[in-house]
Amino acid sequence: QSALTQPRSVSGSPGQSVTISCTGTSSDVGGYNFVSWYQQHPGKVPELMIYDVSKRPSGVPDRFSGSKSGNTASLTISGLQAEDEADYYCCSYAGNYVLFGGGTKVTVL
Amino acid sequence: QLKLQESGPGLVKPSETLSLTCIVSGGSISSSSYYWGWIRQPPGKGLEWIGSVYYSGSTYYSPSLKSRVTVSVDTSKNQFSLKLSSVTAADTAVYYCARHGALRFFDSYWGQGALVTVSS
Repeated sequence: QSALTQPRSVSGSPGQSVTISCTGTSSDVGGYNFVSWYQQHPGKVPELMIYDVSKRPSGVPDRFSGSKSGNTASLTISGLQAEDEADYYCCSYAGNYVLFGGGTKVTVL
Repeated sequence: QLKLQESGPGLVKPSETLSLTCIVSGGSISSSSYYWGWIRQPPGKGLEWIGSVYYSGSTYYSPSLKSRVTVSVDTSKNQFSLKLSSVTAADTAVYYCARHGALRFFDSYWGQGALVTVSS
């Protein structure tokens, strides 16, 4: 039950798109459509951005989208904005337990 | 509006038991749709799920912490609790409580977080 694997950092210019990957196994990411993504600004509480792989909670901009292929889930931020600079964490149900990824820092250049 | 608030000591000695309570207000902890979870974040590091509890008392724990963790619920007080035994400095973290949707995701309702430092 290792943590899900995310890149340490990704960056992009305003208006560009960035994609964060989240790699697990067939026992977690690949086995269930229960991947969620969280945004965390420094010193703040994490905020749910995507759940059940690709669903957006009310109030989350449609610039944020999620997908999954095999054992890897992805979060794409389209039309990157300055306020999107934050840490992002993926999370997956793994059959009676839950795993987080190590986190990815998104930098807006 | 549902609110969650962690409470408990901010300093725990090594080898002792860390105890935190999450007080839920503005809604019932007995909702059939939700679990209630604990997540922690060591300073400068990532999020780690600790465990979650259903209002019936059913519990789910992180395999890596299972031997030291107890999560319980008190529906009469509308609160749930975390106990982590035999703590070391590695357990120093901000501890969050959050509403956990059917073990699938942590939704909009999180506590503000409680920093617990393990030190003699």
